[in-house]
Amino acid sequence: DQQVKQNSPSLSVQEGRISILNCDYTNSMFDYFLWYKKYPAEGPTFLISISSIKDKNEDGRFTVFLNKSAKHLSLHIVPSQPGDSAVYFCAASDTQGAQKLVFGQGTRLTINP
Amino acid sequence: DTGVSQDPRHKITKRGQNVTFRCDPISEHNRLYWYRQTLGQGPEFLTYFQNEAQLEKSRLLSDRFSAERPKGSFSTLEIQRTEQGDSAMYLCASRRTGNTEAFFGQGTRLTVV
Repeated sequence: DQQVKQNSPSLSVQEGRISILNCDYTNSMFDYFLWYKKYPAEGPTFLISISSIKDKNEDGRFTVFLNKSAKHLSLHIVPSQPGDSAVYFCAASDTQGAQKLVFGQGTRLTINP
Repeated sequence: DTGVSQDPRHKITKRGQNVTFRCDPISEHNRLYWYRQTLGQGPEFLTYFQNEAQLEKSRLLSDRFSAERPKGSFSTLEIQRTEQGDSAMYLCASRRTGNTEAFFGQGTRLTVV
């Protein structure tokens, strides 16, 4: 039962353009969502998060949008830079119990010069 | 460096041997998590500590796995009688209570031959 899904295994974007990564979830108890970036042989690095009481959160070049009715969130990166090339994971948690993170399968983003 | 630290970074072991991994969380974080990541997948939750108490374990954590967090500081994850299917990246993360981001260590890559 995949509660968090990233349906695009890979995405290729030209440098300077916008990168949009998508994520869907099924568990309506999730109320906190995060995006992580991961380079090979390293642990995930936190990028940005959003609480379910908001529909948008912005931090520099990164913006996360949350559509609760559709159970969908997206990460926008603009402008995209070569250093953004990595695997991006969407994660979700709820406020009950362990607040463990449930991750999607990841999307490999490649920024082309 | 005040981030999450994991040791060792890499471990190669023969099938049937026992292995132990260590995680040192960020000092003021009372919550500590272990995750496992296999190729092409997102990290999957294994177990969670609040201070020294192990409060939740995933069904992924078979009887061969045990984790401890004595005195609520560092944590260890032991795998007994390793199997080839245990080969994965083992990630440790820590966070404060509440809707806050989790910080991950660089992981321990286990290869069982």
